[in-house]
Amino acid sequence: QVTLKESGPALVKPTQTLTLTCTFSGFSLFTSGMRVSWIRQPPGKALEWLARIDWNDDKFYSTSLKTRLTISKDTSKNQVVLTMTNMDPVDTATYYCVRIRGYGSGWDAFHIWGQGAMVIVSS
Amino acid sequence: SYVLTQPPSVSVAPGQTATFTCGGNNIGGKSVHWYQHKPGQAPVLVVYDDSDRPSGIPERFSGSNSGNTATLTISRVEAGDEADYYCQVWDVISDDVLFGGGTKLTVL
Repeated sequence: QVTLKESGPALVKPTQTLTLTCTFSGFSLFTSGMRVSWIRQPPGKALEWLARIDWNDDKFYSTSLKTRLTISKDTSKNQVVLTMTNMDPVDTATYYCVRIRGYGSGWDAFHIWGQGAMVIVSS
Repeated sequence: SYVLTQPPSVSVAPGQTATFTCGGNNIGGKSVHWYQHKPGQAPVLVVYDDSDRPSGIPERFSGSNSGNTATLTISRVEAGDEADYYCQVWDVISDDVLFGGGTKLTVL
């Protein structure tokens, strides 16, 4: 059974850096074609894709946020980490870790989602 | 930049058919995925690649995509289908993943 779980601070101050960890089970990023993404949803707003990392360490970022985002992985720990710099109240959202469907190097649907981690940005 | 347009709300009675549209310039040339999102829960993939269903998704959920509109259809709607529904594509020009604004389904 594939599961993903997000962890990190529930509250960050403006200008701080947010670090979120996704710990997963039921698959491995050692496996060729495996891909994991981060997606967020501000309260009352739509879903927004943030970043993706592949089994071969290829990385992809949202065009609008790429200057603030870094995605990395610790394959031996089954973890993917997202950092977002210079946090602002508009970054208040639920952040989801998601496994992409199937195996490959292109884009596919977001298949298995974590429960999400709510992050509030406030002084 | 590429934009996906979804109506904000759809209302249907139980047992009826709910139709969700997702508009975009020549969206028929892209692969469209659909997600169901209930409050307090993780989103669920209900249709991928325009019309395929993941394992465990009822046959009541179906999708199509042509021209400038992709469509998700839920037949024989149940109270438990009440949720927000989002369409999603990958835009090759911007190399970005895009979501529509979502449509809220109310079961009357």
